[in-house]
Amino acid sequence: QVQLQQSGPGLVKPSQTLSLTCAISGDSVSSNRAAWNWIRQSPSRGLEWLGRTYYRSKWYTYYAVSVKSRMIIKADTSKNQFSLQVNSVTPEDTAVYYCGRGYDGAIDQWGQGTLVTVSS
Amino acid sequence: QSVLTQPPSASGTPGQRIAISCSGSSSNIGSDNVNWYQQLPGRAPKLLIYRNDQRPSGVPDRFSGSKSGTSASLAISGLQSEDESYYFCAAWDGSLNGWVFGGGTKLTVL
Repeated sequence: QVQLQQSGPGLVKPSQTLSLTCAISGDSVSSNRAAWNWIRQSPSRGLEWLGRTYYRSKWYTYYAVSVKSRMIIKADTSKNQFSLQVNSVTPEDTAVYYCGRGYDGAIDQWGQGTLVTVSS
Repeated sequence: QSVLTQPPSASGTPGQRIAISCSGSSSNIGSDNVNWYQQLPGRAPKLLIYRNDQRPSGVPDRFSGSKSGTSASLAISGLQSEDESYYFCAAWDGSLNGWVFGGGTKLTVL
């Protein structure tokens, strides 16, 4: 049974960096069948896919065009987890952030969600 | 503004059958599979239907999905009070090279 456990701060100041981690159990971040996604949800923007990373003999990472310049997604094979970093945050980055496993054509497992508020 | 279009609300009475639509374009629904999620307030989305019409293990067969062209539909038969929730559609968009979602439909069981 795959489970994703998120961790990270719920409050970030404007212009600072948001960092979240998603720990995986029941699967491997290096799986050659899964992809590891970050998604966020806010009342104003709904569900928004941010990016994903996956391993297919080498690592691939892709980002949504709208956030590409400010985001970094990394896999940590030693801890079986992956992370999201968002630089130069603004109040518009306030949202519930989810990690999710892409498998068999869907994001089939989701983390519990982390409400991140950008405020001074 | 979500890439996929859903009605903001739907309603039905217990035992009734309802359907929720999801409209997209040739770059997403028209060329790839559709997935449906149920989301209770304060909870993460739960996968209900994948690859247009497949149910994950544990999802009741009251839930079914279909796709035609650039539109898809989620049907719920034998409506129950516990089905009151938000429902979202999702699809891979080949032009955006990422997942896109509907704005969500709030289902009320009267």
